[in-house]
Amino acid sequence: QVQLVQSGAEVKKPGASVKVSCKASGYTFTSYGISWVRQAPGQGLEWMGWISAYNGNTNYAQKLQGRVTMTTDTSTSTAYMELRSLRSDDTAVYYCARESAALPLGYWGQGTLVTVSS
Amino acid sequence: QSALTQPASVSGSPGQSITISCTGTSSDVGGYNYVSWYQQHPGKAPKLMIYEVSNRPSGVPDRFSGSKSGNTASLTISGLQAEDEADYYCSSYTSSRVFGGGTKLTVL
Repeated sequence: QVQLVQSGAEVKKPGASVKVSCKASGYTFTSYGISWVRQAPGQGLEWMGWISAYNGNTNYAQKLQGRVTMTTDTSTSTAYMELRSLRSDDTAVYYCARESAALPLGYWGQGTLVTVSS
Repeated sequence: QSALTQPASVSGSPGQSITISCTGTSSDVGGYNYVSWYQQHPGKAPKLMIYEVSNRPSGVPDRFSGSKSGNTASLTISGLQAEDEADYYCSSYTSSRVFGGGTKLTVL
């Protein structure tokens, strides 16, 4: 069965960086993309961007351009999302999700809480 | 790309039907059939309920249905059940993905 398992909660200071991992299993990793979605406390979903696990092509949300980098390691079927220059309003649960035309965001990780606080 | 517009809340009694609207523009909802809907229970990850306007993934009850007219997509839940109480988000994908603000469904 398809599973996406994310890394654990993080606490960061303003200005720092965070890197969240998302390990995939149960399918051919390079056949699908991975999207990252975040959700601030009590707020809605915000799409952060997408990466192709096949060739590493990326498409970032305009709002996060320059601060976010998405990568994959095909040898371990793991996707990564790094967010730099953290601010308090980056405090959120960060989700990875498998992306495909047939089943958009069809499978989700369990979420990773990132807290930005001085 | 601006967020899609959803009502903040809807409610219904068990057995009734409800509809949640999702309004965009001709550049997203109205121009393409890449509209999907997600259900999210408190503290849980979202779950795909409808994709490409009206298709249900395997395992999603046929009480859930989707449609689109012009720039507005809709999610209808018939035969409302207690476990349907959750937040619902629509999403559209063109060159980037955008979500609606979410609708809280209360089952009375």
